[in-house]
Amino acid sequence: QKEVEQNSGPLSVPEGAIASLNCTYSDRGSQSFFWYRQYSGKSPELIMSIYSNGDKEDGRFTAQLNKASQYVSLLIRDSQPSDSATYLCAVNLLDSWGKLQFGAGTQVVVTP
Amino acid sequence: DTGVSQDPRHKITKRGQNVTFRCDPISEHNRLYWYRQTLGQGPEFLTYFQNEAQLEKSRLLSDRFSAERPKGSFSTLEIQRTEQGDSAMYLCASSLTGQSNEKLFFGSGTQLSVL
Repeated sequence: QKEVEQNSGPLSVPEGAIASLNCTYSDRGSQSFFWYRQYSGKSPELIMSIYSNGDKEDGRFTAQLNKASQYVSLLIRDSQPSDSATYLCAVNLLDSWGKLQFGAGTQVVVTP
Repeated sequence: DTGVSQDPRHKITKRGQNVTFRCDPISEHNRLYWYRQTLGQGPEFLTYFQNEAQLEKSRLLSDRFSAERPKGSFSTLEIQRTEQGDSAMYLCASSLTGQSNEKLFFGSGTQLSVL
């Protein structure tokens, strides 16, 4: 079992709709949770971080964390073609703050 | 540009050759990380430095790999006797804190192709 799991997609989303991405993790010691966006051939770009249970909103992005269920999600509202990318979920462990464990990513395709 | 800088962007080498990559972190960041990413996978942790000290190396990192950060600023990653399986994107990231809210900022990466 992988430590961080994501659906690989592609997730096809009509322009203007909500994209919903899911991520589960296996280690209950995970402390911090991140979503990175990666365009093809480019490096990962941090878009959201979340540290406690509940929702965190930043512009069109909302991250949701449920530590009891070991589940973190990302919602992208009013999806735009420029949101077409691979979204990587990453978690870290206590005392290993920058040592991130990444999922394989979910490819999102926003169709006009 | 004040972001993380990596050089070269692309490297093509023949099997058995040595290669060296350079990373210049964001200037005020004291932590520097190396990750490796293959097609269709997320980045995989290789090693990291706090200032000039190398604090951890992944068990997956073979003895052919060595990293340095001699003055706590830029870092180099060397791969000796390259193998085709070393073909990947090598990503450098830097951060400022060693706390739970530590955020990594990645460079553009070095794409290595071993023929």
